[in-house]
Amino acid sequence: DSGVTQTPKHLITATGQRVTLRCSPRSGDLSVYWYQQSLDQGLQFLIQYYNGEERAKGNILERFSAQQFPDLHSELNLSSLELGDSALYFCASSVDKYPSTDTQYFGPGTRLTVL
Amino acid sequence: KNQVEQSPQSLIILEGKNCTLQCNYTVSPFSNLRWYKQDTGRGPVSLTIMTFSENTKSNGRYTATLDADTKQSSLHITASQLSDSASYICVVSGPYSSASKIIFGSGTRLSIRP
Repeated sequence: DSGVTQTPKHLITATGQRVTLRCSPRSGDLSVYWYQQSLDQGLQFLIQYYNGEERAKGNILERFSAQQFPDLHSELNLSSLELGDSALYFCASSVDKYPSTDTQYFGPGTRLTVL
Repeated sequence: KNQVEQSPQSLIILEGKNCTLQCNYTVSPFSNLRWYKQDTGRGPVSLTIMTFSENTKSNGRYTATLDADTKQSSLHITASQLSDSASYICVVSGPYSSASKIIFGSGTRLSIRP
């Protein structure tokens, strides 16, 4: 158990819909990262938040957004869903602001299926 | 183009044997290289993290090497166990000034046979 929790574990929805994925970081960690893992593209970095502020952006689509709340939990919002958005979504947390040599601890993931 | 390539794509070895997985990258500038182990359907688990100034890092039976000049890394697994069956993923990151550069390799799927 990494100490990072994600809810829900599974999510099945239809194209065009909007969903929210939730992540609670390990106690004491200020950084939260979101990743997408699909069969055809592997793991991709989406976005990082540090202590409530957006720190870095990766390959995040405009239809996706995220935020980190004062209690440090984070939410990833996916809208206008397409079939290609079906994937495992992981969040990870770490202590540091910069993704240098700080260990990232991954949650168990949310499996999103878009029908 | 920033890329991370891993080889082989898949590998089957007998329990107790050693193996070496390869990772070549073109990410520049470079900050650190990480190896993760990922069991099917679960989140990746960090094995090693190396900066450009480090050329070897061990974590139990796992030893990673890094040659920043040739942009190559390897992960050596000693005395393999059935529980080592998993995907091993190499990740290369740029420095904090370009924090958006976190590039994943496609992984090596390792199967350990009894």
